[in-house]
Amino acid sequence: EVHLVESGGDLVQPGRSLRLSCAASGFTFGDYALNWVRQAPGKGLEWLGVIRGKAYDGTTEYATSVKGRFTISRDDSNSRVYLHMNDLKTEDTAFYYCTRDWAPAGGTFGDYWGQGTLVSVSS
Amino acid sequence: DIVMTQSPDSLAVSLGERATINCRSSQSILYNSNNKNYLVWYQQKPGQPPKVLISWASTRESGVPERFSGSGSGTDFSLTITSLQAEDVAVYYCQQYFTNPTFGGGTKVEIK
Repeated sequence: EVHLVESGGDLVQPGRSLRLSCAASGFTFGDYALNWVRQAPGKGLEWLGVIRGKAYDGTTEYATSVKGRFTISRDDSNSRVYLHMNDLKTEDTAFYYCTRDWAPAGGTFGDYWGQGTLVSVSS
Repeated sequence: DIVMTQSPDSLAVSLGERATINCRSSQSILYNSNNKNYLVWYQQKPGQPPKVLISWASTRESGVPERFSGSGSGTDFSLTITSLQAEDVAVYYCQQYFTNPTFGGGTKVEIK
C-alpha cells in the first residue's frame, strides 16, 4: 500500500528557511515523479513543483510563484523527497502535501497524497 | 498559466438529487494527438487530503461510486453526482495537467 508522510512543518518567522520532508513507501520510489502542493487554511490548492524519477534524471519544474525560492530534491536511497523553502513570507502559511505523480515524467496529477504538514509563517 | 474557473462556489442539494459542478479552462486542454482531455477531478473531505475521483475528464478511478461521472471536452467540463449521498459532502476541485498543473477554486457541496 502506498504511503506518503510529510514532516518538518513549523512556526517560522518571515525571511527564514525551512525544509520539509516526505517519506514514501509501498512503491518503487525511484520510478516515480513526486509533487509538492500546498493549501492555505480554508483555501484552494496550489501546485508548487515536481521532481521526476530516475528515468528522467530527477529534473524539476516549479510554479512561477515559488521559482527561485523553493527547491525540490530527492533521496532515492531513503525514499524521501524534500521541499527547501527560502525567504518565507506570511503568504506561504499553508498545509504542504507531497503527492505521487500518476506519470513517471511528472506533470499530471497526484494519485496518492500524504496527510500534509502545516507551515505557519509569522513574526 | 492555464486558469481554471469552477462554478458554482457552493451548492446545496437534497439527498438523492443531482449535483453538477462546472469547470472551465482558459485554453483548450484537449491534446489532439491522443484525443485526451488533461483534466482530473478531486474530492476533499474536511481534514483529509484530496482524493482522485476522475481522470482524463471522464475516467472514473477504481473504487469510485458510479454516481460520480465526468464529462466535457476542450475548455468546458462537468462533474455530476447523480444521486447525492450524505458521504458526498465535500469540496470538489478540478485540475488541468495539459501544462504545469493548475487547480480550480473549488466547489463546496452540502446537503439541503
